Amino acid sequence: DGGITQSPKYLFRKEGQNVTLSCEQNLNHDAMYWYRQDPGQGLRLIYYSQIVNDFQKGDIAEGYSVSREKKESFPLTVTSAQKNPTAFYLCASSKSRQGYGYTFGSGTRLTVV
Amino acid sequence: AQSVAQPEDQVNVAEGNPLTVKCTYSVSGNPYLFWYVQYPNRGLQFLLKYITGDNLVKGSYGFEAEFNKSQTSFHLKKPSALVSDSALYFCAVRDSTGANNLFFGTGTRLTVIP
Repeated sequence: DGGITQSPKYLFRKEGQNVTLSCEQNLNHDAMYWYRQDPGQGLRLIYYSQIVNDFQKGDIAEGYSVSREKKESFPLTVTSAQKNPTAFYLCASSKSRQGYGYTFGSGTRLTVV
Repeated sequence: AQSVAQPEDQVNVAEGNPLTVKCTYSVSGNPYLFWYVQYPNRGLQFLLKYITGDNLVKGSYGFEAEFNKSQTSFHLKKPSALVSDSALYFCAVRDSTGANNLFFGTGTRLTVIP
């Protein structure tokens, strides 16, 4: 079955540590996205990528970094510069053609300890 | 500019009653509209979409939505609510004129009371 996989499901980070969240899709989608979701809030776009080796900042990119070396993979690194990283992180993918929605992963819950 | 508004943070409805979750949008061109549902600690699941054609769109789990161009609305509806429908619902819009990204509303929490 085609889908989008996020790992790990739960992640704990110590102060000052960088951590990387994995996102892999086998849907042959061109575009991939990272969102952050805080309790009681909607989705905020962190980064997105429309094609391999290219990505753009979203609304809240500070303290995060991404790479898109392969079409299937779009990992997100939460750096020590992100002062409040505790949140639920969602990865999504989509065909670039109009009329297509997003397919979401099941999310990674990151907690700072 | 594109935007989506979900005017209600919370909607409560009794089991068996009809439910409506409201959404209005603003886009430059023709809209592509979507509804997603999120259960606790899960990703968003696709419910239904409007691209073109019939203004009444039917989706998963008995949900439907009505596209109203004059009111720029795309309200989600279900004739008879189930307790299992309790979740967070997101409306989203995609512009037909070129931008490929979806713009999401802030979400509406639906609680169905037994």
